[in-house]
Amino acid sequence: KNQVEQSPQSLIILEGKNCTLQCNYTVSPFSNLRWYKQDTGRGPVSLTIMTFSENTKSNGRYTATLDADTKQSSLHITASQLSDSASYICVVSPAGNTGGFKTIFGAGTRLFVKA
Amino acid sequence: DAGVIQSPRHEVTEMGQEVTLRCKPISGHDYLFWYRQTMMRGLELLIYFNNNVPIDDSGMPEDRFSAKMPNASFSTLKIQPSEPRDSAVYFCASSFSWTGELFFGEGSRLTVL
Repeated sequence: KNQVEQSPQSLIILEGKNCTLQCNYTVSPFSNLRWYKQDTGRGPVSLTIMTFSENTKSNGRYTATLDADTKQSSLHITASQLSDSASYICVVSPAGNTGGFKTIFGAGTRLFVKA
Repeated sequence: DAGVIQSPRHEVTEMGQEVTLRCKPISGHDYLFWYRQTMMRGLELLIYFNNNVPIDDSGMPEDRFSAKMPNASFSTLKIQPSEPRDSAVYFCASSFSWTGELFFGEGSRLTVL
C-alpha cells in the first residue's frame, strides 16, 4: 500500500534555530516528491520538487534532500523565522499514467517557531 | 494571475441543507482537483478533472457529493443533503500537466450543524 509518513507530528523551536523534518514513503515507483508549506487558514504552497534522480534541492532557507534507495526525504530549515510557523506536508506522486494524480499526502509536521 | 479562487471562504449551514462550493482555476491549467482536509484524515483527493472531464471520482465519499466542471474556468462541488461529518475545509487546486505543481485556493471552511 502506498503510504507517506512524516515525523515529528509537531515541533517547537526557537527563532534563529535550524530544524529538520522527515518524510518516509513506500510509493514505488514514484514520479516526484514535493514539500508544501501550509500556513494556518491558507492553502498549501509548493516549496520544492524532486524527481527520483535528484538528491537535494534548495529554496532560500529551505533545503530538501531525497534518498530514493531508502525512500526517505527531509526538509531542513535554516535560521528559522516566526513566519516559518506552519504545517509542512510531504507529497509523493506515483509514476506512470495510471498513477496520474493519485498523489499521496503525508499527514504533515506542525512547526511552531517561538521568539 | 489571481491564483485559484474559491468561494465562499466560510459556510455554516444546518444538517440537510444543500451546499455548493465554487472554484475558478488558474487560466491555462488543464487539471482541476477537489480536496477535503480534516484534522483526522489530512488532505484527501475527492475528484479531479482533465480538460473539464471528470477522470477519477473514487474519492467522493458517497452519492451526496457531486462535482461539475461546465467550462475551463469554473467548477462546483455540491453536497446534498449535508451532514455534520461533512464539516471540513474543502480545497480546489489546479495544475498544468499531470506532473505539475498543484496550486491551491484558500479553501472553503464548511461547518454543518
